[in-house]
Amino acid sequence: QKEVEQNSGPLSVPEGAIASLNCTYSDRVSQSFFWYRQYSGKSPELIMSIYSNGDKEDGRFTAQLNKASQYVSLLIRDSQPSDSATYLCAVFLLYNQGGKLIFGQGTELSVKP
Amino acid sequence: GAVVSQHPSWVICKSGTSVKIECRSLDFQATTMFWYRQFPKQSLMLMATSNEGSKATYEQGVEKDKFLINHASLTLSTLTVTSAHPEDSSFYICSAEGLAGETQYFGPGTRLLVL
Repeated sequence: QKEVEQNSGPLSVPEGAIASLNCTYSDRVSQSFFWYRQYSGKSPELIMSIYSNGDKEDGRFTAQLNKASQYVSLLIRDSQPSDSATYLCAVFLLYNQGGKLIFGQGTELSVKP
Repeated sequence: GAVVSQHPSWVICKSGTSVKIECRSLDFQATTMFWYRQFPKQSLMLMATSNEGSKATYEQGVEKDKFLINHASLTLSTLTVTSAHPEDSSFYICSAEGLAGETQYFGPGTRLLVL
């Protein structure tokens, strides 16, 4: 089982709809979770971080975390064509020499006008 | 805030040559930086963790003698791809860990093409 799993997509939604992106992780002790957006040919940019169970909202983005189910999601409301990108879920893992982010495969989102 | 730069953004080189990529945190100090590689249509793969003033920690399968990492200051880490070969052609991205730890801010990436 991969440490962080995402559906690769592509996920296609019409403009104005809600896009729902999902991610599961295998390490029960993980405490920090991140969503990054990556446009084609560009490096990732941080959208959201979430550390506690429940929802965290920032503008049109809502991150949801359920540690019991080892599940984290990202909702994008009022989706725009400019949201079309690959969304990477990342989980921070601690180990004895420090910590590192483990990335999922990414979900490609396409928002159709 | 939390801006990370990389230089160069593009590099084309002949097989057998060495290429150095710089990663700088512009408006914050980063004791820890990370180097990733990304092949087309694939996710980011962590190559190594770079700690200021100490040796880098390499991920399994990454040759430390081929990918030399130096983190001489709190704002600069360098990755040198030695004796580059066509299979080293990839998108190399660095990130710097923010002051609060855990959150990583990415540089714009460096595309390497080895002919």
